[in-house]
Amino acid sequence: GAVVSQHPSWVICKSGTSVKIECRSLDFQATTMFWYRQFPKQSLMLMATSNEGSKATYEQGVEKDKFLINHASLTLSTLTVTSAHPEDSSFYICSASVTSGGRNEQFFGPGTRLTVL
Amino acid sequence: LAKTTQPISMDSYEGQEVNITCSHNNIATNDYITWYQQFPSQGPRFIIQGYKTKVTNEVASLFIPADRKSSTLSLPRVSLSDTAVYYCLVGGSGNTGKLIFGQGTTLQVKP
Repeated sequence: GAVVSQHPSWVICKSGTSVKIECRSLDFQATTMFWYRQFPKQSLMLMATSNEGSKATYEQGVEKDKFLINHASLTLSTLTVTSAHPEDSSFYICSASVTSGGRNEQFFGPGTRLTVL
Repeated sequence: LAKTTQPISMDSYEGQEVNITCSHNNIATNDYITWYQQFPSQGPRFIIQGYKTKVTNEVASLFIPADRKSSTLSLPRVSLSDTAVYYCLVGGSGNTGKLIFGQGTTLQVKP
């Protein structure tokens, strides 16, 4: 089956630093990848849609200059949290989309736990 | 994107069948219905997807009435390891396949 990986699985950083999270589709090519954020005991919140070779589309309320997304290839998308602050501490999850027979299937990564001190 | 409504929580006992119903009154013609399972600190895991009538796989069944305004996920003979949050999502069609997560249903399976 389709596998999506994320790296790192967890990261702790100091306030003010930047953190990069990688999302890879291991055995398939994904034209579109999505980034979500999940706070404790809450649902996943879509942050942005990432298309290979083009600028990401951000959801309302998500700062594009703070959450930099790069989708340079069909198997890799990165999310960089710039100048991270404690309120950015969260569980970040990516997914990769595959279109088959007119419908899309999304495969999710295992998530990355970010803790900002 | 169609909004979904599910019960916030459900309790069950091991060995029972669990049915979780989701309402999606504004489902579009091209939308599929997909259910995901999520354990704490893990990404969502695909359970089942359908468009209409009934779909069954090795872990669950999905029942969709003719008007497609609701769907029911059926988990046969649940075990303790089925304790998780279950999300019903509608969409995934079109160019982006964008999905919006609702609140999900927290299923607690008791011994």
